[in-house]
Parts: sequence; C-alpha cells; structure tokens
Amino acid sequence: SQQGEEDPQALSIQEGENATMNCSYKTSINNLQWYRQNSGRGLVHLILIRSNEREKHSGRLRVTLDTSKKSSSLLITASRAADTASYFCATENSGGSNYKLTFGKGTLLTVNP
Amino acid sequence: DAGVIQSPRHEVTEMGQEVTLRCKPISGHNSLFWYRQTMMRGLELLIYFNNNVPIDDSGMPEDRFSAKMPNASFSTLKIQPSEPRDSAVYFCASSLIVLGGIQQYFGPGTRLTVT
Repeated sequence: SQQGEEDPQALSIQEGENATMNCSYKTSINNLQWYRQNSGRGLVHLILIRSNEREKHSGRLRVTLDTSKKSSSLLITASRAADTASYFCATENSGGSNYKLTFGKGTLLTVNP
Repeated sequence: DAGVIQSPRHEVTEMGQEVTLRCKPISGHNSLFWYRQTMMRGLELLIYFNNNVPIDDSGMPEDRFSAKMPNASFSTLKIQPSEPRDSAVYFCASSLIVLGGIQQYFGPGTRLTVT
C-alpha cells in the first residue's frame, strides 16, 4: 500500500488563490519530500522537511509536518496558472540504511487564469 | 548539467518482444532508481542501486524484469518478454546519497506501450 496518501485527489482554484494539499503516512520517517510533475514530464523536487522540523518555507511554498499525526501539508500561496501540475509527497522511512522513497498517488492541481 | 537522460522517450512494441530502457544518471551521483508510473498504481519503485550495486529489487514485478548497472554512468531496465500490462511510463532517477535525506532527480521518462 502507498505510504503517502495525498488529499484531495484533485483541486481546482482561481489564479491568486492559495492551494493546500495534505499528505498522510503510516510509519516513522526520516524526512518527507514534496515533488511536482507537469503533464508528460518527470518529477521535480520542491522541498524536503526532516522529521525534527515542523515548518519550512521556500518562496511561495510552505510545508508543515506533524509527526504525531503522521501528516504533512503543502501550501502554495498566490497561485499562478503555471502551478498547474500534479503534486506528490514522498517519505523516506526511518531505520536501516535504505534510502528509498515511497510516493503517494498525488494531487492534481488546476489553477484557472 | 544535462540532468538524467533516458532513452528512448517512447517505445511501442508487440507482446512477447524484448524491451530495453536506458538511463544515464547525473555525473557524480551514486544512487539510481527505476520507477514505473500508471494511473491505477501510481509511482512504484522497481529497483535501486547504490554505487552500482542493486540494494533493493523488491519492487520488480516478476522475473520478466531485470536491471543492470555496469558502471556509474549507465543503467538498463529490460523486460523480456513484454506484456500489455507492462504499458506504463518508466522513470529513472538519481541522487547523491551521503547521509540520507537527499532529493532525487528524475529523468523525462520512457512511455512504453505494449500491444
């Protein structure tokens, strides 16, 4: 089963609005990452938050992590049409030296001009 | 830097044929990952290598799938024989793993269609 599960599956907003996507996971993690995928392209890394961090910012992106609830959220402020893409969370599980990531199925964000 | 390079970008083949997908990771990266993406199953990790050695191949669906990394700059994923259910987009990603928590860089993917 998927470690990370994004919510909602799809989100449609108007340009200028904020977009919030959520991710839940099941096991202990070292870190959680968010990636973006434009249609027909590979995934692009956006931001990484470690298990001992609670919030991180990068430009218009804000990520929070609540390890007690095993959840994370990605906020995109002042959205633009170019933000239209699928967004995935990925977790690196703690324990051992296995550095693989487990991806959720993603949230499809549509920003209407 | 050219990024992760994958070839071919598109492959259409008939059931039963052998398919070979190729990947050139970013120079200096020590880890390489092969993923498969479908609408139904999302993004699945098939296998990953660290310093050219396969570390985890638990995601390889069956014996029809095999992967090699003969050197630090090249990897192949082979499907023999191919089946229609193998149709998917296959991604290669690389990273430089030192202490963990490192982002992965994805290639553009190979869209495989098996008829």
